Amino acid sequence: QLQLQESGPGLVKPSQTLSLTCTVSGGSVGTITDYWGWIRQAPGKGLEWIGNVWHSGQTYSNPSLKSRVTISVDTSKNQFSLKLSSVTAADTGVYYCAKGFGDPHYFDYWGQGTLVTVSS
Amino acid sequence: DIQMTQSPSSLSASVGDRVTITCRASQSITRFLNWYQQKPGKAPKILVSGASTLQNGVPSRFNGRASGTNYTLTISSLQPEDFATYYCQQSYTTPFTFGPGTSVDIK
Repeated sequence: QLQLQESGPGLVKPSQTLSLTCTVSGGSVGTITDYWGWIRQAPGKGLEWIGNVWHSGQTYSNPSLKSRVTISVDTSKNQFSLKLSSVTAADTGVYYCAKGFGDPHYFDYWGQGTLVTVSS
Repeated sequence: DIQMTQSPSSLSASVGDRVTITCRASQSITRFLNWYQQKPGKAPKILVSGASTLQNGVPSRFNGRASGTNYTLTISSLQPEDFATYYCQQSYTTPFTFGPGTSVDIK
């Protein structure tokens, strides 16, 4: 059974960079038909797609986050990562990593989520 | 970006009720519409993909349909474990976008 686990600091200071890693077990980030995504949820709010990465390293990210997002994949460690720079309080929320199925596109496996708070 | 709307935003229902949630896209998404269920403190769970394909293990009381740019999720007989928030999501094009959610609670 595929499992995903987010890890990273739960507290980030404003203007700094949020860094999270998702470790995949029971499957491979190198699977051609799959992609790997990050989705976040502000407290009491809905879901916001952050971006996806394919095994090749190709990425798609949400233009609403402008150039602050970097998503990468490390096939040797079976992990993928998110970096979000210049964070503000508006970036506080639960961050989920998820596996995307390529056709049609949907997220079929999710991590449990990790709460990141942006505060000084 | 493709905007997704959902109605109602919340509803109260009883066990055994038939419940329908509607999702509308701001433009054609040609059935690239997914439904997720989220319970408090938990990650979302995929219920339906491609507008009408029920995912493995999802009870058959859940049904997804498409009609033009309107999509519906129907629960034929609400069960206690179905009380949750439901989100639609378009995967037709990036940025993927979610609807604002529909909260289903106990009457």
